[in-house]
Amino acid sequence: QVQLQESGPGLVKPSETLSLTCTVSGGSISSSSYYWGWIRQPPGKGLEWIGSIFYTGSTYDNPSLKSRVSISIDTSRNRFSLKVSSVTAADTAVYYCAREDHNFGNALWGQGTLVTVSS
Amino acid sequence: DIVMTQSPDSLAVSLGERATINCKSSQSVLYSSNNKNYLAWYQQKPGQPPKLLIYWASTRESGVPDRFSGSGSGTDFTLTISSLQAEDVAVYYCQQYYTTPFTFGPGTKVGIK
Repeated sequence: QVQLQESGPGLVKPSETLSLTCTVSGGSISSSSYYWGWIRQPPGKGLEWIGSIFYTGSTYDNPSLKSRVSISIDTSRNRFSLKVSSVTAADTAVYYCAREDHNFGNALWGQGTLVTVSS
Repeated sequence: DIVMTQSPDSLAVSLGERATINCKSSQSVLYSSNNKNYLAWYQQKPGQPPKLLIYWASTRESGVPDRFSGSGSGTDFTLTISSLQAEDVAVYYCQQYYTTPFTFGPGTKVGIK
């Protein structure tokens, strides 16, 4: 079955760029049925949708992140990535990748990875 | 952005009793062309990612027990757990996926009385 796995540094310094990758296994990221998304959750808080990408490279993002976010996709490696620039402590969160179906919601999630912003 | 609110913030229910969570969106999430509400419900247990329970406001995801049901349309929605089980202790979130940015409610924590 399809699985998603996040990877990347668990600690990022303030003002630097957070970079995460989500690897999709058991299925093709080039499916025309899905977008591939990122959602984050600060410790003890709720869920925030960051954005998503289609296999063609078309993206949606959350304006609340003020253009600090970049989402890209590598269909040859079956993975997609997130970059958040100029991070602060407020970007400390568990970051989830998810398969996003714009008809049926997010049925498939990675396990999440905690990223801490600290010097 | 569509703002999602939930009530109550938390509730405690006796085992076997009904739990009801409300969700309200700041604008309608009903897509007129197909008469579907683009509203999902998720369950999140500690240390786990959210799990999709309900989509289109009232359609249960495959494998979800039938004690979970969703209702509502337009801007007002409800998730009902008809007979609370111990394994249902979790935080429940609603999410609109009608328009980006897709937004979540703040969550409702369900516990055992």
